[in-house]
Amino acid sequence: QKEVEQNSGPLSVPEGAIASLNCTYSDRVSQSFFWYRQYSGKSPELIMSIYSNGDKEDGRFTAQLNKASQYVSLLIRDSQPSDSATYLCAAGPFGNEKLTFGTGTRLTIIP
Amino acid sequence: DTEVTQTPKHLVMGMTNKKSLKCEQHMGHRAMYWYKQKAKKPPELMFVYSYEKLSINESVPSRFSPECPNSSLLNLHLHALQPEDSALYLCASSQGGTGGLYNEQFFGPGTRLTVL
Repeated sequence: QKEVEQNSGPLSVPEGAIASLNCTYSDRVSQSFFWYRQYSGKSPELIMSIYSNGDKEDGRFTAQLNKASQYVSLLIRDSQPSDSATYLCAAGPFGNEKLTFGTGTRLTIIP
Repeated sequence: DTEVTQTPKHLVMGMTNKKSLKCEQHMGHRAMYWYKQKAKKPPELMFVYSYEKLSINESVPSRFSPECPNSSLLNLHLHALQPEDSALYLCASSQGGTGGLYNEQFFGPGTRLTVL
């Protein structure tokens, strides 16, 4: 069974610190990986996608992928209270419309 | 324009009602999705349309009936729902096809459905 696993949290991080979110996946066919941010009562918002081993940076966000170890992570630098949300990790094969979502990690940034 | 729109934002219906949810995208995407999301759970895939054809049906009860009138529009027709069907219904789209290698899915704001 294809699984994407995340620590449900809550993860509490002081404002200005680095928040580190982790995700592991079981299906080696997965080749595309996504991080979505979801505020309470709102829809998921795509914030990062990564397909190759290594790091991908976008502003304060860095996604890291290690296919050998089957994990994906998201680092948020200089955390802000507005980063408080649930972060969903998703994985899928290339060219396949079906994504497998993790259960999400609830992140709280403490002012 | 990287927006997926959904109407209505909120819907309250009785178990004998018939209603429809609507979704529209103008990104030229060829794959569109319906998801259901319960509180504190991840989105759960219901249907996928690829090039206006139903490509995935995740064994959804027949009281949910999807329709894709054209490449920009997606409807979800609801009939004889149960209270446990109350949830946030999300529409998403992605590039799809051979150009959609990486399958980035973009979600609409959702319709909050309450079944009484």
